[in-house]
Amino acid sequence: GAGVSQTPSNKVTEKGKYVELRCDPISGHTALYWYRQSLGQGPEFLIYFQGTGAADDSGLPNDRFFAVRPEGSVSTLKIQRTERGDSAVYLCASSLSREETQYFGPGTRLLVL
Amino acid sequence: DQQVKQNSPSLSVQEGRISILNCDYTNSMFDYFLWYKKYPAEGPTFLISISSIKDKNEDGRFTVFLNKSAKHLSLHIVPSQPGDSAVYFCAASVRRGSNYKLTFGKGTLLTVNP
Repeated sequence: GAGVSQTPSNKVTEKGKYVELRCDPISGHTALYWYRQSLGQGPEFLIYFQGTGAADDSGLPNDRFFAVRPEGSVSTLKIQRTERGDSAVYLCASSLSREETQYFGPGTRLLVL
Repeated sequence: DQQVKQNSPSLSVQEGRISILNCDYTNSMFDYFLWYKKYPAEGPTFLISISSIKDKNEDGRFTVFLNKSAKHLSLHIVPSQPGDSAVYFCAASVRRGSNYKLTFGKGTLLTVNP
């Protein structure tokens, strides 16, 4: 079956701009996670959704970052007033339930100039 | 403060030999451990996992060993194949109390030479 998909695959933007990153999880997966991977680092947790609600957003670095999952499937990560330090690969993962294995998408490479 | 550490940034082995990737952790609350493999421009792919109630889990050429007293786990790949060349991430989570998020190490680049 289809895996986790993320769009766009690459995004170049200018400092101060707003960006939206989209994640389509595996069909039927109720749990959805966003991670961020900076150069030379492992993925770092940002936010977790169970269904439509954000069960844990403790990893979001500041209030410029926000994520939604209005219908319990597709999720959008939104970054306002982007900064150069936001440049990273943003990874989305989904799992059948929170106890199950997380499957990752290919990521969105964000470059803030 | 890194809770999951992979101290070897890279490892090079010959095809057919054993690859051993190591991982140390500091958080004694971690009770579930996973290894992911990542090719360039792709997302991490789940490889194998182990619960803290076990000390070994095997799946084909891949075996993960857990030493809880040393807070250390290792991934053994035998025999190694050129297609195994990738970055390997160790990850951990706390499943007691439903803390599901993964904490990753920085990764080890494995190169298997033909």
